[in-house]
Amino acid sequence: EAGVAQSPRYKIIEKRQSVAFWCNPISGHATLYWYQQILGQGPKLLIQFQNNGVVDDSQLPKDRFSAERLKGVDSTLKIQPAKLEDSAVYLCASSSVLEQFFGPGTRLTVL
Amino acid sequence: DAKTTQPPSMDCAEGRAANLPCNHSTISGNEYVYWYRQIHSQGPQYIIHGLKNNETNEMASLIITEDRKSSTLILPHATLRDTAVYYCIVRVAGQAGTALIFGKGTTLSVSS
Repeated sequence: EAGVAQSPRYKIIEKRQSVAFWCNPISGHATLYWYQQILGQGPKLLIQFQNNGVVDDSQLPKDRFSAERLKGVDSTLKIQPAKLEDSAVYLCASSSVLEQFFGPGTRLTVL
Repeated sequence: DAKTTQPPSMDCAEGRAANLPCNHSTISGNEYVYWYRQIHSQGPQYIIHGLKNNETNEMASLIITEDRKSSTLILPHATLRDTAVYYCIVRVAGQAGTALIFGKGTTLSVSS
């Protein structure tokens, strides 16, 4: 089966600019997650969707981060405006009954 | 916060067994032990999970102590491609809709 797809793989922007990431989960997976992974640390959950509804966004910095999953399939994560500390890898994952599957991630560098 | 404790790094010679320990002294009765690994520039990959019995699959073996307060992931014949960060996570199984809580993991370096 096809895996979780993410784009772009790499992005470099200057602080205060905006950026968007895209994720296409595995077909049929109702649950989708966005994680942030700062260098040297494990991934940290930003937001979780069940179909097109938000289950948990308690750790999403809502003043600058937003995410949507309008049709319950693809999802986008946006940062506006970006700060230096947003430099990280942004991982998308989707889950079946048994386990979570991760995409390759988008590496964001904020200068 | 992560509910597990792992050594930050370990080394292993190629072809030898790699034994990665994990402490989870506060594990609840309905929580399973999961292991994931993350190879450089890739997303985390599921390896194995277990409740209280030892488990084995094509990738690894999982040994859980009788009191369930610790476990060991065993890669029986490590190869260079097993160089990665290994994460031990406790969570309630069957809840695919539960986010994973990662610690810093163990960086395993396999050398020839």
